[in-house]
Amino acid sequence: DIQMTQSPSSLSASVGDRITITCRASQSISTYLNWYQLKPGKAPQLLIYETSSLQSDVPSRFSGSGSGTDFTLTISSLQPEDFATYYCQQGFSSPLTFGGGTKVEIK
Amino acid sequence: QVQLQESGPGLVKPSQTLSLTCTVSGGSISSGGYFWTWIRQHPGKGLEWIGYIYYSGSTYYSPSLKSRVTISVDTSKNHLSLKLSSVTAADTAVYYCARGIRGHYGMDVWGQGTTVTVSS
Repeated sequence: DIQMTQSPSSLSASVGDRITITCRASQSISTYLNWYQLKPGKAPQLLIYETSSLQSDVPSRFSGSGSGTDFTLTISSLQPEDFATYYCQQGFSSPLTFGGGTKVEIK
Repeated sequence: QVQLQESGPGLVKPSQTLSLTCTVSGGSISSGGYFWTWIRQHPGKGLEWIGYIYYSGSTYYSPSLKSRVTISVDTSKNHLSLKLSSVTAADTAVYYCARGIRGHYGMDVWGQGTTVTVSS
């Protein structure tokens, strides 16, 4: 199985901050890396697919980059609605696996 | 647009079989290019992939759950099902169904999730 490691596990930031979340795969996954946002009581939302493609209706302040084993999700200017937990997921091979999550909290 | 809604018992007794249904609306479960998947989240923990199925019926399950899991599709009812046998307290979780896209294997449509508690 491909292990996905996210860092940090949590972070505190202010509205307007630029933040970056890192995801590392235990082996190369090319660009088959997806990012999700989870909020309590709501359906999870796909933000970025295949490393850097923005899912429809997702604000352009979200961006992704990377390849091989190292990937990042960046929020260029944090908005109040962005305080949530973010997960990466590899789609390179089954079993599909997720990172441990990064909780973004208000400073 | 496509929407998913999970349903099923919120409480299951240990050793019994957990059975959930995911109803697909706004689109056909037989549409090509997609797979249908179940994912769970234990209390306070991260996401765990359970398995997926193509509309053709081909399945792939998580190795850690493979011996207890069955995922099926009913195209006449436009829904998919999850059965997890011999449950224990460790199966207490929020269960999500989702639609995945063949190619990058990301999940673009999710249900809101249903909480299942395993307890006597």
